Amino acid sequence: AAGVIQSPRHLIKEKRETATLKCYPIPRHDTVYWYQQGPGQDPQFLISFYEKMQSDKGSIPDRFSAQQFSDYHSELNMSSLELGDSALYFCASSLTHLEQYFGPGTRLTVT
Amino acid sequence: AQTVTQSQPEMSVQEAETVTLSCTYDTSESDYYLFWYKQPPSRQMILVIRQEAYKQQNATENRFSVNFQKAAKSFSLKISDSQLGDAAMYFCAYRSATQGAQKLVFGQGTRLTINP
Repeated sequence: AAGVIQSPRHLIKEKRETATLKCYPIPRHDTVYWYQQGPGQDPQFLISFYEKMQSDKGSIPDRFSAQQFSDYHSELNMSSLELGDSALYFCASSLTHLEQYFGPGTRLTVT
Repeated sequence: AQTVTQSQPEMSVQEAETVTLSCTYDTSESDYYLFWYKQPPSRQMILVIRQEAYKQQNATENRFSVNFQKAAKSFSLKISDSQLGDAAMYFCAYRSATQGAQKLVFGQGTRLTINP
């Protein structure tokens, strides 16, 4: 069965640089979620999109923005990167109110 | 705001034995969903089991079952016949049933070790 695809899987950036993370949901899933998991921590919700519209927002820094495109893929844009942004970033997708299925994550390292 | 608490940072069990992971949550909502996710060393988040709050019957998926106590706001996971592949971090998660508020709220996680 098709799964959630995230790219890149690993990303190394320097402070103050910009990063773009991409997410391709499971076909026919209409909702995409972004989570951030710091070292030794549980995943924290950032933002979600339902049918290309923002549906919920968590503790996402103003330096981050996200959108969902017409083909349902989503991108998380992160600017002015800080050392504290180093984390595993998960994208998950679901069909309306059903279970969220997670992608493999993008490991971002900021040096 | 909803909170999820896992009071056992680490647990260990002998292979083939049974282990129970604890989870409590706090909410003022009456309709919601609860989940257990498994995160092995690969860091992939894998859905283990789901429970709807309106269902009194406890969910079961093969060797995994839950004990859902709505009044006590408790949601424990029982793993029977533990296998080496069950070794992972386990996260309990809450999700509101309110439309537009479908984010998962996770507990701190319990690291499960399987002893051969």
